Amino acid sequence: DVVMTQTPVSMSVSLGGQVSISCRSSQSLVHSNGNTYLSWYIQKPSQSPQLLIYKVSNRFSGVSDRFSGSGSGTDFTLKISRVEPDDLGVYYCGQSTQYPLTFGSGTKLEI
Amino acid sequence: EVQLVESGGGLVQPGRSLKLSCLASGFTFSNYGMNWIRQAPGKGLEWVASISSSSSYTYSVDTVKGRFTISRDNAKNTLYLQMTSLRSEDTASYYCARSDNNLDYWGQGVMVTVSS
Repeated sequence: DVVMTQTPVSMSVSLGGQVSISCRSSQSLVHSNGNTYLSWYIQKPSQSPQLLIYKVSNRFSGVSDRFSGSGSGTDFTLKISRVEPDDLGVYYCGQSTQYPLTFGSGTKLEI
Repeated sequence: EVQLVESGGGLVQPGRSLKLSCLASGFTFSNYGMNWIRQAPGKGLEWVASISSSSSYTYSVDTVKGRFTISRDNAKNTLYLQMTSLRSEDTASYYCARSDNNLDYWGQGVMVTVSS
């Protein structure tokens, strides 16, 4: 199974600031078709998770350009710029390159 | 608008069964794979099972193999999770999610509590 390791576990940020969250996989997430199925999700308090970024760097429909994803192979990063109050929650990385699908343990963003 | 609405959760005794449903709307259900993901109280996300658009393929996490069965009825736009031999460690919120090489839309979740 692919183990996803996220750091940090939690972080506090000032409004308007920038944060980076790291996600590492125990195996390469490059699929045999050449795509890398690494996604980022946010779970806001008392809500279900929402997709933010898919295939490493593609913003999902309606997601602000303040969110950006980067990386390759086994190392990935989510950056949030100009942090707003609505950004608080728990961020998860997840891979869908192979079964079982797996997620990182989450990064709690506190404002 | 894509909507996924789970139902069927509740309190159940260990060893008993429960069937969850997820009613989909706002998209052509038969064109997409579907998934169940769960989240134990205060914990992270755990993928449970996936099914392909035509039910040709199903996958599940080892901890539920032989106990949980994912299925779908494309005529009813509904995804199911039949859970048997429930254990206390199955206590969680269960979310259905649509597949598009990622989990792009999620339901609001349904709580399953396994306790005597």
